[in-house]
Amino acid sequence: NAGVTQTPKFRVLKTGQSMTLLCAQDMNHEYMYWYRQDPGMGLRLIHYSVGEGTTAKGEVPDGYNVSRLKKQNFLLGLESAAPSQTSVYFCASGQVQYQPQHFGDGTRLSIL
Amino acid sequence: GQQLNQSPQSMFIQEGEDVSMNCTSSSIFNTWLWYKQDPGEGPVLLIALYKAGELTSNGRLTAQFGITRKDSFLNISASIPSDVGIYFCAGLAGNMLTFGGGTRLMVKP
Repeated sequence: NAGVTQTPKFRVLKTGQSMTLLCAQDMNHEYMYWYRQDPGMGLRLIHYSVGEGTTAKGEVPDGYNVSRLKKQNFLLGLESAAPSQTSVYFCASGQVQYQPQHFGDGTRLSIL
Repeated sequence: GQQLNQSPQSMFIQEGEDVSMNCTSSSIFNTWLWYKQDPGEGPVLLIALYKAGELTSNGRLTAQFGITRKDSFLNISASIPSDVGIYFCAGLAGNMLTFGGGTRLMVKP
């Protein structure tokens, strides 16, 4: 089983560029999450989804947008990248609300 | 917002030793989760605790939900080299899951 798959694994952007991070899960989970992880800090929730077509803001949503058009996919968009968004981004899914069970391997994003 | 303090921040282990770490907060939580993260990978959920005083094991790992609901503990018995990594606690209150900063386990040289 693939579990949670994130693409791309690495990306370098220039300030002001836009991009979309892709997340796919094959476990039929209702709940999906996007986190960012910065050095020395725990994971911080950006946005989450409780089902197809629904999204909600997490702890640090500014500068990001998300969409969940299909149950298995959760997309994270950066409209105008800023250096403060340099981070490792993790997608996760789960069967219990607010309890991420399975994480992807992360997307390492650098913004110059 | 809520904060979780994990202790120790890092520690060295020798194969065969028992390891203890904890997570404390000034806030009350309804659920405690423990994760392990290996380099270059996402966290893996190890143990979930749902009730104050609850003690749950997963192989050599045992975690406890503190009786005050403000803390949680993780013990690893008879450590092995593959136990190295970063261990994160996370506490759930309402709809907010807060992660601690992690305890990094390393092997003694």
